[in-house]
Amino acid sequence: DAGVTQSPTHLIKTRGQQVTLRCSPKSGHDTVSWYQQALGQGPQFIFQYYEEEERQRGNFPDRFSGHQFPNYSSELNVNALLLGDSALYLCASSLLLGTGENEQYFGPGTRLTVT
Amino acid sequence: GDSVTQMEGPVTLSEEAFLTINCTYTATGYPSLFWYVQYPGEGLQLLLKATKADDKGSNKGFEATYRKETTSFHLEKGSVQVSDSAVYFCALTHGNRDDKIIFGKGTRLHILP
Repeated sequence: DAGVTQSPTHLIKTRGQQVTLRCSPKSGHDTVSWYQQALGQGPQFIFQYYEEEERQRGNFPDRFSGHQFPNYSSELNVNALLLGDSALYLCASSLLLGTGENEQYFGPGTRLTVT
Repeated sequence: GDSVTQMEGPVTLSEEAFLTINCTYTATGYPSLFWYVQYPGEGLQLLLKATKADDKGSNKGFEATYRKETTSFHLEKGSVQVSDSAVYFCALTHGNRDDKIIFGKGTRLHILP
């Protein structure tokens, strides 16, 4: 059973460019969350997708947008890249349960460097 | 808003030493508490969790007890190994309809042979 997969592994972009990161959830999961982890910091919640809709959003500007597809995979898009967007971007998947006990499984991340 | 504060690292210990990594939280209501571990070059792995006061989470020799009176969830291990070298994150969620994870800044642990 494949876990959460992310692509690409590493990416180098120039300021002002746009980037798309991809995530495939663990088999059986229907919810995808994205986190940004700056160097030496803990991950920060960006947003979460469920049933192809953005369900929750953290404190990130509109330059950060996402999408979830019918097969539950997801994309994170960042426009007008800034140097400060350089970070490890983590995807986590879970199965949304009514009990709230929905453990999130993390992928290995995409390392984005903006120059 | 909700937050998690954990001891700054790096923490350097010799193999077989006793480990404590302190973690306190600020949150409304009754959050669930977690410790995640990040090995070099890898993503986050859930190490243990506790969902209500006085619960003890344990895994791989690590344990942490949910202390609501002191809003703490300290991570402990009786005898660390070189393979425990990693970054450890304390975290919380509220579950239910708001399950975004709020992480601490992480504590890097180095274990010397």
